[in-house]
Amino acid sequence: NAGVTQTPKFQVLKTGQSMTLQCAQDMNHEYMSWYRQDPGMGLRLIHYSVGAGITDQGEVPNGYNVSRSTTEDFPLRLLSAAPSQTSVYFCASSLQGPVPIYEQYFGPGTRLTVT
Amino acid sequence: GQQVMQIPQYQHVQEGEDFTTYCNSSTTLSNIQWYKQRPGGHPVFLIQLVKSGEVKKQKRLTFQFGEAKKNSSLHITATQTTDVGTYFCAGPGDGNKLVFGAGTILRVKS
Repeated sequence: NAGVTQTPKFQVLKTGQSMTLQCAQDMNHEYMSWYRQDPGMGLRLIHYSVGAGITDQGEVPNGYNVSRSTTEDFPLRLLSAAPSQTSVYFCASSLQGPVPIYEQYFGPGTRLTVT
Repeated sequence: GQQVMQIPQYQHVQEGEDFTTYCNSSTTLSNIQWYKQRPGGHPVFLIQLVKSGEVKKQKRLTFQFGEAKKNSSLHITATQTTDVGTYFCAGPGDGNKLVFGAGTILRVKS
């Protein structure tokens, strides 16, 4: 199993550009989520999904869209990139969740810089 | 909404010293998890605590869940350079959200 994969690993965008961060898992996990990590702020939840066709907002959803058309894929779209979106983005998945919470499997991350 | 506070934010210890990080929740948690993130890496699951007052050990790491299930701690005995990284706690938040603490960065001087 590849686990959770994310592409690209690194990306530089100009302000106003749009892009999609890809996330895929091959563990048949129902629960998937996107986090951003900024220094001193831990992991902040952007969006999450409890299964195919179901998504919901996390703590910091503004400027991001998600969809979950299959169990395996959970792409994150930046609509119009802003410098405040410079961050490291992690995708995670778990069998179900989060109540009761199951072990979260994280992807390797995407380092995004917006100039 | 539910918040998970973690202290300290940063700790620098001499190799061989002990280290503790604390996690406090504004509400009672059904369970709590701990993760470790090595520098430049991604968070990796360490353990989950479920029962009130639960204590679990993994070699030099000791995890505790408070009696009221609103706080937790991770203690490392005799730190080694391999312990370097950021340690996060996480618990279920409102709805179907999983909420992470801000993390404690551990640096070990050899």
